[in-house]
Amino acid sequence: SQQGEEDPQALSIQEGENATMNCSYKTSINNLQWYRQNSGRGLVHLILIRSNEREKHSGRLRVTLDTSKKSSSLLITASRAADTASYFCATDSGFQKLVFGTGTRLLVSP
Amino acid sequence: ETGVTQSPTHLIKTRGQQVTLRCSSQSGHNTVSWYQQALGQGPQFIFQYYREEENGRGNFPPRFSGLQFPNYSSELNVNALELDDSALYLCASSFRTGANTGELFFGEGSRLTVL
Repeated sequence: SQQGEEDPQALSIQEGENATMNCSYKTSINNLQWYRQNSGRGLVHLILIRSNEREKHSGRLRVTLDTSKKSSSLLITASRAADTASYFCATDSGFQKLVFGTGTRLLVSP
Repeated sequence: ETGVTQSPTHLIKTRGQQVTLRCSSQSGHNTVSWYQQALGQGPQFIFQYYREEENGRGNFPPRFSGLQFPNYSSELNVNALELDDSALYLCASSFRTGANTGELFFGEGSRLTVL
């Protein structure tokens, strides 16, 4: 079963615009991670935020975490065509596994 | 490049057959996890191996089994294939130091089609 639900399911923007994706989850977590997947290939880790953190930055990525609302958001600033991919949130609830959400498909047009 | 390699990249089987998928973990990693990703869905956890022992299993039947070898390579075996087993199978390696799950390093996957 999927723990997280990403919103929106699909997002289409122009290069240079910002892209925001949201993730909601159901149970308490140790950390939440975001991954990227190009065209059905392997997933690539983007960023990890721990349950006691509220915000984290990495390059053009900004992640926030609100454990009271059981939600997270991923912001990609100044999007590029190369950012076109599916983005997944994944939660660690201490059972030695990550539970992935359903993903957001991002299309960045030149 | 994550240093995790999977083989084969694509394969086609018929219903009822058996399949073995292979994964070579990143050097130094002691944990291997397998995920199934159906088309348009997020990856679903199958099981994890830590120091050659199964260390957690998702909601998959016993016909899904695995092995982890001393050199941290791993296999996923699926018996009595069903049409719904058609999916991308992803191997992920990591270095486990405690109870939490950190960053996973994924291979490119093996795409299985069951006819």
